[in-house]
Amino acid sequence: DTGVSQNPRHKITKRGQNVTFRCDPISEHNRLYWYRQTLGQGPEFLTYFQNEAQLEKSRLLSDRFSAERPKGSFSTLEIQRTEQGDSAMYLCASSPEAPRKSYEQYFGPGTRLTVT
Amino acid sequence: AQKVTQAQTEISVVEKEDVTLDCVYETRDTTYYLFWYKQPPSGELVFLIRRNSFDEQNEISGRYSWNFQKSTSSFNFTITASQVVDSAVYFCALIYSGSARQLTFGSGTQLTVLP
Repeated sequence: DTGVSQNPRHKITKRGQNVTFRCDPISEHNRLYWYRQTLGQGPEFLTYFQNEAQLEKSRLLSDRFSAERPKGSFSTLEIQRTEQGDSAMYLCASSPEAPRKSYEQYFGPGTRLTVT
Repeated sequence: AQKVTQAQTEISVVEKEDVTLDCVYETRDTTYYLFWYKQPPSGELVFLIRRNSFDEQNEISGRYSWNFQKSTSSFNFTITASQVVDSAVYFCALIYSGSARQLTFGSGTQLTVLP
């Protein structure tokens, strides 16, 4: 059973450029989450999908951020016109449908974004 | 508002010592879920335990044990006979029933176990 995978693992970009990250959840997990983690802090929730529907978005998710999960499998997170403040680790997590287990989220290794 | 506080920013112990990581939470919901995650230097968050608000029974798993006390809104984590491999950042987190099941994390405790 493979875990959550994320690509790329590292991304360096110049301010103003667009970047896109991909997350592949554990197969058959219908819930998918994106979080952002800055140095020395705990992860902060960005957005949540149940299957292909985006059901919740944090106020942290500005208009420059967009996330998709087109077929209810993998998800992408795009940041347009990147700013230095976007530099962070972007984490993806998934959880299963099973009622007792649906609150347990399993995380990928993250994508570390550096905006220069 | 939901909040998780981990007052200990850094803890350093010598191998084989016991260590307790503190977690205090705030929520107005009567149904909620508490978690501990481990983040080793590699960066990937590893799920350790989930505890439901209606189940105050403490849990032990090998060298790990968790003490959940609703009266003090605390969910503390103890590592017995610590090992160097336990060195990591440990996060306490909360899901409340009114949410989309997103985790609210504390700021983490950096545990360093010295040989």
